[in-house]
Amino acid sequence: QKEVEQDPGPLSVPEGAIVSLNCTYSNSAFQYFMWYRQYSRKGPELLMYTYSSGNKEDGRFTAQVDKSSKYISLFIRDSQPSDSATYLCAMRRAGGTSYGKLTFGQGTILTVHP
Amino acid sequence: DTEVTQTPKHLVMGMTNKKSLKCEQHMGHRAMYWYKQKAKKPPELMFVYSYEKLSINESVPSRFSPECPNSSLLNLHLHALQPEDSALYLCASSQGGDQPQHFGDGTRLSIL
Repeated sequence: QKEVEQDPGPLSVPEGAIVSLNCTYSNSAFQYFMWYRQYSRKGPELLMYTYSSGNKEDGRFTAQVDKSSKYISLFIRDSQPSDSATYLCAMRRAGGTSYGKLTFGQGTILTVHP
Repeated sequence: DTEVTQTPKHLVMGMTNKKSLKCEQHMGHRAMYWYKQKAKKPPELMFVYSYEKLSINESVPSRFSPECPNSSLLNLHLHALQPEDSALYLCASSQGGDQPQHFGDGTRLSIL
């Protein structure tokens, strides 16, 4: 079993839809949670960074962490064709010998069609 | 445009060649990373440098040799690579190990 599970999709939605992307994890030591967006032939771009449980909002994006369920989500409101990309969840333990080591989900391919 | 700059963007090399990938950041970050990404897969960590010292080597074959000449630069020296080493090589940086990582756009490497 992978430490982080993410549905690879692909996910196709109409413009303006609310998109929900999810990851589950098995290691309770994960404390830092990230969402990256990766366009074709580009590097991952950091969208959201959260520490421990709770919600964080940035424009059309909301990141949610539920540590009791070991579940994180990214919601995209009013989705646009420019949101079409691969979305990667990533998480990390705090400090110690795992300095800087990210564990990624497999990525979800999202297409928003006009 | 990203604040982590990688050169070259594309590289084609034979299995006997020696080449280097370069990464530069001017955000004052003290941790820098090399990742390898195959198509439709997430990035895989290769090396971590913290304060210009190698802190993590994820059992990467010796044909990949990292170097951190100063806090802004990171190199990856390549020698005698195999066709399966063809991939996107990503560099990232962060203020520290507990801070978010920012990626460059990578070097797309093809081994003939």
